[in-house]
Amino acid sequence: EIVLTQSPGTLSLSPGERATLSCRATQSVSNNYLAWYQQLPGQAPRLLIYGASTRATGIPDRFSGSGSGTDFTLIINTLEPEDFAVYYCHQYGNSPLTFGGGTKVEIK
Amino acid sequence: QLQLQESGPGLVKPSETLSLTCSVSGGSIYRSSYYWGWIRQPPGKGLEWIGTIYSTGTTYYTPSLKSRVSISVDTSKNQFSLNLSSVTAADTAVYYCARHNGRGFYYFDSWGQGTLVTVSA
Repeated sequence: EIVLTQSPGTLSLSPGERATLSCRATQSVSNNYLAWYQQLPGQAPRLLIYGASTRATGIPDRFSGSGSGTDFTLIINTLEPEDFAVYYCHQYGNSPLTFGGGTKVEIK
Repeated sequence: QLQLQESGPGLVKPSETLSLTCSVSGGSIYRSSYYWGWIRQPPGKGLEWIGTIYSTGTTYYTPSLKSRVSISVDTSKNQFSLNLSSVTAADTAVYYCARHNGRGFYYFDSWGQGTLVTVSA
């Protein structure tokens, strides 16, 4: 099973700042099949990025994903008020499918 | 527009079986080539994939739950269901149904709103 470790656990930033979130896998993710989701309180996760770097439909370009193999990054440029949420990475290249533990982006 | 909606009891007693149904609208489970999954999230914690089913009935389960989980599909009702047996308090979670993108075992691109199931006597 691929374990995904996200860091930091919590990121305290102000609107307008840049957020850098990390997701590290215990083994290489096949085909870089790595996705990122945003979860607002009381809501289902929303797909942001798939294939490590492809934005999902309707996702603003301030969200960008990068990385390959075992190290992946989600960057949120110029944080908007609605971006303060929990973010999860998810690998779907190997079974069982797994998720990271999440990074909470909170208002400083 | 595709919509998924979970339904089932919000309270289950320990040692009993948790049963949930996901109703799909805006798309056909049978006519599509999509895979359909269940994910859960304990209160205040992260996400855990439970399992996935294809319209033909082929299933895939996470190893840690495999002995207790069963997922089935009813194409006539455009629904798929989750059964989790011998539940304990550790199974208390929000349960989501979701669709895998594309014709394979890919990321989840559409989610239900989730339903909280509490395991308690």
